[in-house]
Amino acid sequence: QLQLQESASGLVKPSQTLSLTCAVSGGSISSGGYSWSWIRQAPGKGPEYIGYIYHSGSAYYNPSLKSRVTISIDRSKNQFSLNLNSVTAADTAVYYCARSRDGYAWVWGQGTMVTVSS
Amino acid sequence: EIVLTQSPATLSLSPGERATLSCRASQSVSAYLAWYQQKPGQPPRLLIYDAISRATGVPARFSGSGSGTDFTLTISSLEPEDFAVYYCQQRNNWPNTFGQGTKLDIK
Repeated sequence: QLQLQESASGLVKPSQTLSLTCAVSGGSISSGGYSWSWIRQAPGKGPEYIGYIYHSGSAYYNPSLKSRVTISIDRSKNQFSLNLNSVTAADTAVYYCARSRDGYAWVWGQGTMVTVSS
Repeated sequence: EIVLTQSPATLSLSPGERATLSCRASQSVSAYLAWYQQKPGQPPRLLIYDAISRATGVPARFSGSGSGTDFTLTISSLEPEDFAVYYCQQRNNWPNTFGQGTKLDIK
């Protein structure tokens, strides 16, 4: 059974870079037909798509975050990663990785809380 | 960006009752709309995709309808485990967007 696990991040200082990794087990990240997504959810809010990447390495970002986001994939380690730079308090959220198909998130990680604070 | 507006914000019902949740899009999303269920401390779970199709393992009491800009999630007879927050999500236009949620709580 496919499982996704976000790395723990915790506390990030304002203006620094948030870095998370999603480890995929029970399936290959190189499987065709899927995309690998990062989605976040601020406290008390609906989820927000950050972006996604295909096993080919093609990545697509939410225009609201595009200037600050990089999503990468490491097929040898069966994982993908998120970097979000110049963070502010508005980036405080639970960050989820997910396997998506046809634009819907079918399998989710448990999520990791990231707090931006000095 | 397409804005999804869910109503009501909170719905208070009793087990056994019928629940009707609404999602309205700021422009047409065709049939490319999903519904998710989220319980406290858990990630969202995909229930319905492409407006009407149930995801694997989702009970038949959950059904979706609608197209264009107006969509409905119906739970025919509420079970205790159905009390949660429900989100709609469109994938017709990037960025994919979610609604703000409807909290279904026990009356």
